[in-house]
Amino acid sequence: NAGVTQTPKFRILKIGQSMTLQCAQDMNHNYMYWYRQDPGMGLKLIYYSVGAGITDKGEVPNGYNVSRSTTEDFPLRLELAAPSQTSVYFCASRDRDRGSGANVLTFGAGSRLTVL
Amino acid sequence: DAKTTQPTSMDCAEGRAANLPCNHSTISGNEYVYWYRQIHSQGPQYIIHGLKNNETNEMASLIITEDRKSSTLILPHATLRDTAVYYCIVRVESGFGNEKLTFGTGTRLTIIP
Repeated sequence: NAGVTQTPKFRILKIGQSMTLQCAQDMNHNYMYWYRQDPGMGLKLIYYSVGAGITDKGEVPNGYNVSRSTTEDFPLRLELAAPSQTSVYFCASRDRDRGSGANVLTFGAGSRLTVL
Repeated sequence: DAKTTQPTSMDCAEGRAANLPCNHSTISGNEYVYWYRQIHSQGPQYIIHGLKNNETNEMASLIITEDRKSSTLILPHATLRDTAVYYCIVRVESGFGNEKLTFGTGTRLTIIP
């Protein structure tokens, strides 16, 4: 049981390049999330998904796209990378609500992206 | 989700209890209080959650005031490994549109040897 796995851990991009951050979870969780964290700041929600085929925008979706074709995978696509997208990206997942309030997020280790 | 207010930073001596406060004066009756922490640059880690009653697990205790407008996370015997940023979050358990969970800047707790 690996939990939430993110790849790559580090990446340097040139302005205008595109890339995909991969996120996979093996806990059969319905809900998945992408956050970004700028230095010294809290986490900001980019996109989330409540199940395969369903995605929605978070707080800061501009410049990103997501897809959810399977329960396990939730890739984040950066189109036309910009320096403002330099950040650490965290993927998270959680199980469906079970009436106990224990809607605990499990986070991946993060992907550090630098755009130059 | 109700907004939370936490001190920016705190220090605590190793071996002592660390008490981290959180104000959530606009919390609704169906909103839970959650605590997470983030050690260095790792992904945040769940600590504990509660609704009304005080809660305790192997990591910490959560004390929620009777009016639920504030709470305190207690690490009973702080160690150097507890140095981290601690986030207090409130959210409803379920319901459409409750997924935009917000992590603020949290409290940076430093354990002093």
